Amino acid sequence: SQQGEEDPQALSIQEGENATMNCSYKTSINNLQWYRQNSGRGLVHLILIRSNEREKHSGRLRVTLDTSKKSSSLLITASRAADTASYFCATELAAGNKLTFGGGTRVLVKP
Amino acid sequence: EAGVAQSPRYKIIEKRQSVAFWCNPISGHATLYWYQQILGQGPKLLIQFQNNGVVDDSQLPKDRFSAERLKGVDSTLKIQPAKLEDSAVYLCASSLDRGRQETQYFGPGTRLLVL
Repeated sequence: SQQGEEDPQALSIQEGENATMNCSYKTSINNLQWYRQNSGRGLVHLILIRSNEREKHSGRLRVTLDTSKKSSSLLITASRAADTASYFCATELAAGNKLTFGGGTRVLVKP
Repeated sequence: EAGVAQSPRYKIIEKRQSVAFWCNPISGHATLYWYQQILGQGPKLLIQFQNNGVVDDSQLPKDRFSAERLKGVDSTLKIQPAKLEDSAVYLCASSLDRGRQETQYFGPGTRLLVL
């Protein structure tokens, strides 16, 4: 089974609304990363949060990490049609180790 | 700076044929990764190189898949012979170094369809 599991699997919202997706994992991690994948394009790195961090911001993105619950959330505020994509969390178990991706959350932002 | 380059972008082959994919990482990036992404799933790491040495190939189906990174720069991934279940997008990524929590930068991928 995968290390990271995203919830929900799919999300549909109106432009301007906030979108929240969650990621749960099973074992202790070194860091957790969020990636975005648009249709027909490669993965783009969004945010990396280390195991000793609890919250990070980048523009309209906010990521939280709760290591006691082994979970992370990604919040996109004031969503835009261009935010329509699949969002993946990926965990790194140890520095330099491989990333293990979850199955992704497919987000549709309707104009 | 130029991103990770991959070719071809699309490939259609019949089962039991061979296919090869090429990746050129970002200049100066020591670590190179090949991932397989099946439709509707997240990417799965196939092999990780540090310069021209293999760091992790535990999920590479070695009976049919092979990869090399000569001179520690470009890399090729080969499938021989291909099976129907190999239909997927093959993503190449690179990072500056291993062991420093580096961001991975992904190429556009090669979409493989095995008929």
